[in-house]
Amino acid sequence: DGGITQSPKYLFRKEGQNVTLSCEQNLNHDAMYWYRQDPGQGLRLIYYSQIVNDFQKGDIAEGYSVSREKKESFPLTVTSAQKNPTAFYLCASSLGGASTEAFFGQGTRLTVV
Amino acid sequence: AQSVTQPDIHITVSEGASLELRCNYSYGATPYLFWYVQSPGQGLQLLLKYFSGDTLVQGIKGFEAEFKRSQSSFNLRKPSVHWSDAAEYFCAVGRASGTYKYIFGTGTRLKVLA
Repeated sequence: DGGITQSPKYLFRKEGQNVTLSCEQNLNHDAMYWYRQDPGQGLRLIYYSQIVNDFQKGDIAEGYSVSREKKESFPLTVTSAQKNPTAFYLCASSLGGASTEAFFGQGTRLTVV
Repeated sequence: AQSVTQPDIHITVSEGASLELRCNYSYGATPYLFWYVQSPGQGLQLLLKYFSGDTLVQGIKGFEAEFKRSQSSFNLRKPSVHWSDAAEYFCAVGRASGTYKYIFGTGTRLKVLA
């Protein structure tokens, strides 16, 4: 079945450590997205990518980095520069940008301990 | 500025009652409109979408939504709510072309009383 796979589902990290969240899709979508979700704040866009080897900052990119070396993969690194990284992270993809629906992964809950 | 407003943060309804979740948007171009549902700890699932044509659209799980351009609204409705509908609902706006960024509302959390 086609879809988006995020791993791991739960992730714990110590302060000062970088951590990478995985996102893989087999929908053959060009566009991929990373969102952060905090209670009461909806979804906030971190980064998005329109095509391989290209990505753009979203609204809250500080403290995060991404890469898009393959069409299927769009990993997100939460760096030690992110002041408040504990959150629920959602990866999504779409066929043609915002003129088509986005498909979401099941999310990764990151907790800084 | 482009925005999506979901005025109700929380809504509680009894099982079997009707439901309407409100969504208002501010968007200069022709909007592409979406409703998503999210169960706790899960990703978002598309309920329905509106691109053009008939302003009343049917979705999955018995949901429907009506696009009203004059009111800049895209309200979600269900005639009879089931306990399994308890979740968070997000309205989102896209655009015909030229952008890859969706605009999401802040969500409405639905509680269903048995």
